[in-house]
Order: sequence, then C-alpha cells, then structure tokens
Amino acid sequence: ETGVTQSPTHLIKTRGQQVTLRCSSQSGHNTVSWYQQALGQGPQFIFQYYREEENGRGNFPPRFSGLQFPNYSSELNVNALELDDSALYLCASSPELGTEAFFGQGTRLTVV
Amino acid sequence: AQSVTQLDSQVPVFEEAPVELRCNYSSSVSVYLFWYVQYPNQGLQLLLKYLSGSTLVESINGFEAEFNKSQTSFHLRKPSVHISDTAEYFCAVSEDNAGNMLTFGGGTRLMVKP
Repeated sequence: ETGVTQSPTHLIKTRGQQVTLRCSSQSGHNTVSWYQQALGQGPQFIFQYYREEENGRGNFPPRFSGLQFPNYSSELNVNALELDDSALYLCASSPELGTEAFFGQGTRLTVV
Repeated sequence: AQSVTQLDSQVPVFEEAPVELRCNYSSSVSVYLFWYVQYPNQGLQLLLKYLSGSTLVESINGFEAEFNKSQTSFHLRKPSVHISDTAEYFCAVSEDNAGNMLTFGGGTRLMVKP
C-alpha cells in the first residue's frame, strides 16, 4: 500500500518569497504529516492534519502553514522564505486506524 | 518531550560482515519505536517497528532490532550485510502506533564495501 506523491520534486526560490508544496496521499488516507529534512540531518516534524484539521505541530514558526482538502490531499505553505528553509520536505500519510505512515519522495527546496 | 540519539553518524562495513546501528531514546511517556531506511534521492521506507509484545522484531530483508526498556535502546542489527544495504538509516519514536508525528534521530549512514 503505497502511492504518496509530492510535487514539485525540485524547486528554487528567492529569500523572502512564498512557496506552496503539494502532497497527494493514497485514497482513504485521512492523516497527513509534513517533515523538514535539512541536509545531513534527520527529518523534523512540522505538523499533522487529520480530517482537514491540524492536530499536532512541531517547533516551527507560524510562517509554516498547511491545509488538508476534502480529498485528503495536502499543502504546505512557507512564507517569507529564509536561506535555512532549504531542505527536503517530506509528506507522510496513513489511513484511519492504520499501522504505518507512508512517505512520499519529497520536494527539494533551495532558497537562494 | 522526546529525543532520539543515533550514536554513529557513519558505519563502514565490509560486505557479508555483521553490523549494529545504535539508537537510544528518551521520553516521559510510553512510545513506539521505528527504524526507517532512506536510499539516495528517495523518501523514507519503514524497515521495522516495535509496538508491543516480543522485544525482538524482524524485517523481511534480514534486519532485526531489539527493544531494551531499561537501557532505552532500540539497536538495529543484521548478521550479514549486502552492498544493496548501503543507505541512511533513521531511528524514530512516536506516541502514535501508526508512526505519525515521529521524532527522528540524526541518522546513520551505512556504507557497505565490497
């Protein structure tokens, strides 16, 4: 059971700009989480959505925001980009009462 | 608050040799434990997990990990590695048994040499 897709795969933005990353989870997966993985580090939890509501957030500033849509796809928005936002952004989804979260291949964001 | 420490950032090993990747965690609540593998330019794949029951868990490709509550460890082992095992390995904990809202360690790069 796989099939989490993220778009775009790569992205270059300028400091101060805004970016939207997208995640399409498999049908029936109503929980989605976003992670930031800086180069050479482990992923860090940004936030989680369950049935369109945010139900958990990591230590990230408010300029990181998200949405989950009725079809359970999701967006991660980052405002006022900083150089340190350069990272691989991973999306993971799981079904109701599931026992595994499935990860997409990520979006590589470079801020210059 | 939870934290995960992977004690080795890199582990070089020759093919067919045994390997152990170390993981220690701290948490004020009960957690579930996971190992993920990440191949170059790819996302994370679940390797194995401990939820309850037997403290020794195994994956389909020969890896195993043992939960040690007294030492708060969840070390990953394989008796004989292959070149194809070369990857980054992440230990993680979660209060959720599905592995949502994971706290990851910094990763261990396993480098298998011929």
